[in-house]
Formats: sequence, structure tokens, C-alpha cells
Amino acid sequence: DVKVTQSSRYLVKRTGEKVFLECVQDMDHENMFWYRQDPGLGLRLIYFSYDVKMKEKGDIPEGYSVSREKKERFSLILESASTNQTSMYLCASSQGVSGELFFGEGSRLTVL
Amino acid sequence: KQEVTQIPAALSVPEGENLVLNCSFTDSAIYNLQWFRQDPGKGLTSLLLIQSSQREQTSGRLNASLDKSSGRSTLYIAASQPGDSATYLCAFRGSNYQLIWGAGTKLIIKP
Repeated sequence: DVKVTQSSRYLVKRTGEKVFLECVQDMDHENMFWYRQDPGLGLRLIYFSYDVKMKEKGDIPEGYSVSREKKERFSLILESASTNQTSMYLCASSQGVSGELFFGEGSRLTVL
Repeated sequence: KQEVTQIPAALSVPEGENLVLNCSFTDSAIYNLQWFRQDPGKGLTSLLLIQSSQREQTSGRLNASLDKSSGRSTLYIAASQPGDSATYLCAFRGSNYQLIWGAGTKLIIKP
């Protein structure tokens, strides 16, 4: 079974803090994605990566950056957290541009 | 602009019933469509991926169908159980490979 692991299920941070969300997949997938999910807004793509050291902006990249130094790991970085970044963050991976998408358990971030 | 619609937004049925969840899309140039379930506070679990060349896919009590001409996919759940209670989402992938998400159907199975 494909496993996508997000390092933190729940985080509470203060405004202005730097936040790292880590995601690791164990199926040698080329593609990795970061989404945020908010009530009434659904899933929105923040960033994705098709290869190591490669990244592409999604629909809502402002306030976020990403890092993919190794194929299995994709990190989402909030340089200076703000309250409007309080959300559920979901990492996903797939093989190929159209492959089946597999998600992690999610990271619930609260910014105070 | 491609839109994906899931109707109804919520559904409550007694245990044991067979039920159908709907996913409609406006663009017939579909590459594939994927169904997920999401339990409260959790991530998404992939249920079925149906390619544009396929008419249906089955996994256990679940069957997903795809009708490109009518722009519709259905997820059929047989003999529903309380453990099936979750939000079900469909995601449409068009010819540009981008995913468009439906808003989901919240399903409650009453014991």
C-alpha cells in the first residue's frame, strides 16, 4: 500500500513564526502536492513538484514556499505564519501527471 | 471554465440501502476521474480511479461509472453500513492534467 506520511497531525503556532510541514511518501512517486482545505472553499492547490528540486505554483501560493531535496520528501514552509493560514493542510503524491492520487492524514494548523 | 458538481450536498439513509452519489462535469475532454472518501478531520482515501477509456470500476461494495457523453460519474454503494458514513469527493482530471474538485457529498448511514 502507498503510504503518505505527514509529520504533524496538529500544530499550534503564533503569528509571525516560521512553520515547516513535512511530507514523506514511500512509493517512489514522481509527483507530490500540497493542498489546503477550508470549509466552504474545498481543496485548493498550493504547490506541486514533478521532480526533485522542481516546484510549480498552484492556485494559492502566496505566503508559502516549498522544498523538495529528495524524491520522497516534500516540505511546505510558511515563512511568517498569519491567522488566515489556519487550515487543514493535505499532502498527496502520484506516479505520473495523471496517476492515482494518494493523500496523507492531514496536518491541522492553528495560527494564533 | 470546467466545473464539477456533486449533488446532493448531504444524504442520510438507513443502513442496508443501496445508494448512488453523483458527480457532474462540464468538460467532456476528460482524462480520468477519481473518487475519494474523507472522514472528519482526516485526509482523503482513494476509492476508485476511472480512466476515460473505461465505463466502470469496481472495488468490493463500490462501483464507479463514467458517462462522458452526459458528463456524469456515479458512485454506487451497495448494502450501506454505518462505517460508510463520510464525505465523498470526486476529482475530475481533464486533458491538461489539472484536477478539478467537487465540493463533496456528506453521507450519513443510520444504524
